[in-house]
Amino acid sequence: NAGVTQTPKFRILKIGQSMTLQCTQDMNHNYMYWYRQDPGMGLKLIYYSVGAGITDKGEVPNGYNVSRSTTEDFPLRLELAAPSQTSVYFCASSYRDTYEQYFGPGTRLTVT
Amino acid sequence: GQNIDQPTEMTATEGAIVQINCTYQTSGFNGLFWYQQHAGEAPTFLSYNVLDGLEEKGRFSSFLSRSKGYSYLLLKELQMKDSASYLCAVMDSNYQLIWGAGTKLIIKP
Repeated sequence: NAGVTQTPKFRILKIGQSMTLQCTQDMNHNYMYWYRQDPGMGLKLIYYSVGAGITDKGEVPNGYNVSRSTTEDFPLRLELAAPSQTSVYFCASSYRDTYEQYFGPGTRLTVT
Repeated sequence: GQNIDQPTEMTATEGAIVQINCTYQTSGFNGLFWYQQHAGEAPTFLSYNVLDGLEEKGRFSSFLSRSKGYSYLLLKELQMKDSASYLCAVMDSNYQLIWGAGTKLIIKP
């Protein structure tokens, strides 16, 4: 099993550009999450999904969008990138909400 | 508001024992998680407590007191590879994880 995979690993965006961060899991987990991690701060939940076709906002959803058309994939879309979106983005999945979350390797994004 | 507090940094000696504390104030409680995160890597799961008491797993143990809003992670027989950040996270009433900023543990020979 590959677990949770994310692409790309690194990306530099100019202000106003858009991009999609890809996330795929092969563990047949229903729950998937997107977090951002800024230096000295805890992980912040951006969006989450409890199954295909179902998504919901987390603590910091502004400037982002998600979709969940399959169990495996949970892409995160950044529209009109801003410097405040410079961060490390982690995708995670779990069997259920109270079960451990498995994290992807992360995407390090810089917006200049 | 919701808040998770843990020390920013701790230093310990190889072979020793260290206790990392976590206090929390959240809207509801559905369990407390500890994760380990090496620099530049993703968090990995260490433990989950939902009932009061001590859970032991090899060299790592985690304790929870729900009435005090308090948990600790105990690491025994420290090894150099234990140098990492340790993240405390509480699952709130909406079943969302609220994360602390993490404790950076430095192990010295």
